[in-house]
Amino acid sequence: NAGVTQTPKFRVLKTGQSMTLLCAQDMNHEYMYWYRQDPGMGLRLIHYSVGEGTTAKGEVPDGYNVSRLKKQNFLLGLESAAPSQTSVYFCASSYSVQHTEAFFGQGTRLTVV
Amino acid sequence: SQQGEEDPQALSIQEGENATMNCSYKTSINNLQWYRQNSGRGLVHLILIRSNEREKHSGRLRVTLDTSKKSSSLLITASRAADTASYFCATASNSGNTPLVFGKGTRLSVIA
Repeated sequence: NAGVTQTPKFRVLKTGQSMTLLCAQDMNHEYMYWYRQDPGMGLRLIHYSVGEGTTAKGEVPDGYNVSRLKKQNFLLGLESAAPSQTSVYFCASSYSVQHTEAFFGQGTRLTVV
Repeated sequence: SQQGEEDPQALSIQEGENATMNCSYKTSINNLQWYRQNSGRGLVHLILIRSNEREKHSGRLRVTLDTSKKSSSLLITASRAADTASYFCATASNSGNTPLVFGKGTRLSVIA
């Protein structure tokens, strides 16, 4: 099993450009999440999904959009990148929200210049 | 806002010593989880303790939970250089589909 796979692993964007980060999981998990990690800030939840076709806002959703058209994929979009979105992005998935562990991807390091 | 807050922010110990990290949280929880992150990598789940449990062990890890004080501790016994990493607590709420909320982490350095 591959677990949770994120693509790309690294990306440099210019301010105003757009991009999509892809997260794929092969564990048939219902729940998927996007977090960002900044130095000294821990992990902050951007958006999450509790099932195919559903999405919800997390703690820091502004400037991001998401889609969950297929159960195994969770896409994070930046429509107009800003330097404040320079961060490491982690996708995670879990069987349930309350009762089981989350599995994480290896992260995407995004730099916006 | 983040639910869990780890203490200390950074910890440096000698190999063979025990390492203790603490986590405090604010609201009622279903469970509390500890994760480990090696530099530049994704988080890896270590242990989950439910709100009706007080202590749990896994290998060299011991986790305690005190729901009256809204706090948890992670003890790593006989630490090794390979234990050098950041450790995060995460809480799962009792209410609805609220996702895991992570603290800011404790950076552990184990010196050989």
